[in-house]
Amino acid sequence: EAQVTQNPRYLITVTGKKLTVTCSQNMNHEYMSWYRQDPGLGLRQIYYSMNVEVTDKGDVPEGYKVSRKEKRNFPLILESPSPNQTSLYFCASRQTGTFHGYTFGSGTRLTVV
Amino acid sequence: QQQVKQSPQSLIVQKGGISIINCAYENTAFDYFPWYQQFPGKGPALLIAIRPDVSEKKEGRFTISFNKSAKQFSLHIMDSQPGDSATYFCAAPTLYKGAGSYQLTFGKGTKLSVIP
Repeated sequence: EAQVTQNPRYLITVTGKKLTVTCSQNMNHEYMSWYRQDPGLGLRQIYYSMNVEVTDKGDVPEGYKVSRKEKRNFPLILESPSPNQTSLYFCASRQTGTFHGYTFGSGTRLTVV
Repeated sequence: QQQVKQSPQSLIVQKGGISIINCAYENTAFDYFPWYQQFPGKGPALLIAIRPDVSEKKEGRFTISFNKSAKQFSLHIMDSQPGDSATYFCAAPTLYKGAGSYQLTFGKGTKLSVIP
């Protein structure tokens, strides 16, 4: 089944403890992106990647890092999480070419205490 | 930077009624406007999309209307059902640094509640 897989689905952590949220897609998509979703703010883009080793900042990149060493994986790294990073996170990917929508993962609910 | 303005933020509709969600964009790489539907606890999923040279696209009870001169597009849900209760996002494509590729800019979403 074609899908974007995120892990973990739920995570509670403490301030300052480094964590990684994984994202993997099995559709050979070149484009991948991370979003955070907060009430009233919609989907805000954190980072995106147009291809392997090509990443760029989105609208809210502060406090996050990403890497794209392989086409299928695009992990999101929080080196020193803070409570304001408590949010619902989504990974998405897209096929190359025009007129293609995004496929989203099921989301990761992160709570930083 | 491209902005997509979506309204209303929330919408309550009686079962059987028509739900209308509007979006306005500033610029677009090309005329492709998808709508996403998100149920609680799930990721957004592509619902319906309209492509160039088409002013209206219909799939079942869902219709997209596109007004290029006004830079607006809208989603109509006919005969709304409680199962349609979800958050809806519109999106417009933005060119990526002129490289011939694009990414989508999303509206802030509309929470639709269909009451029996």
